[in-house]
Amino acid sequence: DTGVSQDPRHKITKRGQNVTFRCDPISEHNRLYWYRQTLGQGPEFLTYFQNEAQLEKSRLLSDRFSAERPKGSFSTLEIQRTEQGDSAMYLCASSWTWDRADNEQFFGPGTRLTVL
Amino acid sequence: GNSVTQMEGPVTLSEEAFLTINCTYTATGYPSLFWYVQYPGEGLQLLLKATKADDKGSNKGFEATYRKETTSFHLEKGSVQVSDSAVYFCALRGSDTGNQFYFGTGTSLTVIP
Repeated sequence: DTGVSQDPRHKITKRGQNVTFRCDPISEHNRLYWYRQTLGQGPEFLTYFQNEAQLEKSRLLSDRFSAERPKGSFSTLEIQRTEQGDSAMYLCASSWTWDRADNEQFFGPGTRLTVL
Repeated sequence: GNSVTQMEGPVTLSEEAFLTINCTYTATGYPSLFWYVQYPGEGLQLLLKATKADDKGSNKGFEATYRKETTSFHLEKGSVQVSDSAVYFCALRGSDTGNQFYFGTGTSLTVIP
């Protein structure tokens, strides 16, 4: 396994269109996280899954955003009716974590979204 | 609430210079603290961490000590190399916020030969 992968790496879309991103975590990892990073800022937490259950969602995750991890492996993040403010780098990370242990989160390379 | 404040960059140093990147935090309870690094064209990687007060995290010559009294977690390295050029992010995980990580804005470091 070569790490966390994300697809696509770049996405350009027009305002109002829907987009979907995919994240493939490291295979044995049970937790999967989504972050958003805008230029000059650090990553902002969006949501995370433990196996297939979505356990936390940030207030940043508006109703237009939805994330799934149907079989506890890969995850998708969909943005409906995109807005220019959605332009950002979307990062995925995964970890093998139990209880509240602070195990390392391994990050993918990100998907850069540009909304025109 | 929880937040992280990092010194603004960019920082440019000559090879073998001493590096300090300041990081202070605001948190309720007892957070865990992290430094992540992002090399050009790559994803974020954990550099070091500390989970309780007075702990020192270290890796690849970098060190940071969890100072509860000053709410700080400054990153230091005694002698930087060109290969250390990257963006460095300070982050915390609050003890009362589940698994949310809070990141600083990042500090870009360029080391020149």
